[in-house]
Amino acid sequence: QLQLQESGPGLVKPSETLSLTCTVSGGSISSSSYYWGWIRQPPGKGLEWIGSIYYTGSTYYNPSLTSRVTVSLHTSKNQFSLKLSSVTAADTAVYYCSRGGLDLVATIWGQGALVAVSS
Amino acid sequence: QSALTQEASVSGTVGQKVTLSCTGNSNNIGTYAVGWYQQISHGAPKTVMFGNSLPSGIPDRFSGSKSGTTASLTISGLQPEDEADYYCSTWDNSLSAVVFGGGTKLTVL
Repeated sequence: QLQLQESGPGLVKPSETLSLTCTVSGGSISSSSYYWGWIRQPPGKGLEWIGSIYYTGSTYYNPSLTSRVTVSLHTSKNQFSLKLSSVTAADTAVYYCSRGGLDLVATIWGQGALVAVSS
Repeated sequence: QSALTQEASVSGTVGQKVTLSCTGNSNNIGTYAVGWYQQISHGAPKTVMFGNSLPSGIPDRFSGSKSGTTASLTISGLQPEDEADYYCSTWDNSLSAVVFGGGTKLTVL
């Protein structure tokens, strides 16, 4: 059974870069059938898609975040990662990693990781 | 402002049938399959429907449908454990982005 687990610092200072890793178990990120993505949820608010990556390295990003986002694959570790630069308090959220189909829509979710942006 | 529009809140009694809606346009729901997610007490979202497919482990009282640019999630025989926030999502080819609805809070009375 496929499982996704987020990991990374729970606290990031303003203007610095948020970095998270998603470890995939029970399946390969090198599959041609899926996209691997990141979604976030600020406290008390709804879900926001951040970006997704295909096994070829092809990426799609939320147009509102594209200048600050990088999603990368680490196939030897069966992991993928998120980097979000120049963070502010507005980036405080629970960050979820996910697997989606070829239309990128999530079907399997990780448990989530809370990241707070504060000095 | 979400690209997909959902009711802010819906309520029903145990055993009742309730339908949640998700309205978009021809660039999203009108073209692509819709995912529905259940989020209980701010935990991780769980997929309860994708297109017309029920994921493994999801009770068959959940069903999905679509008509034009509106998708619906129907829960037949509402149970107390169905009380949650529900979100819809799909691809939008004009935005080149995955979009979400603002979420519906389902209360079981």
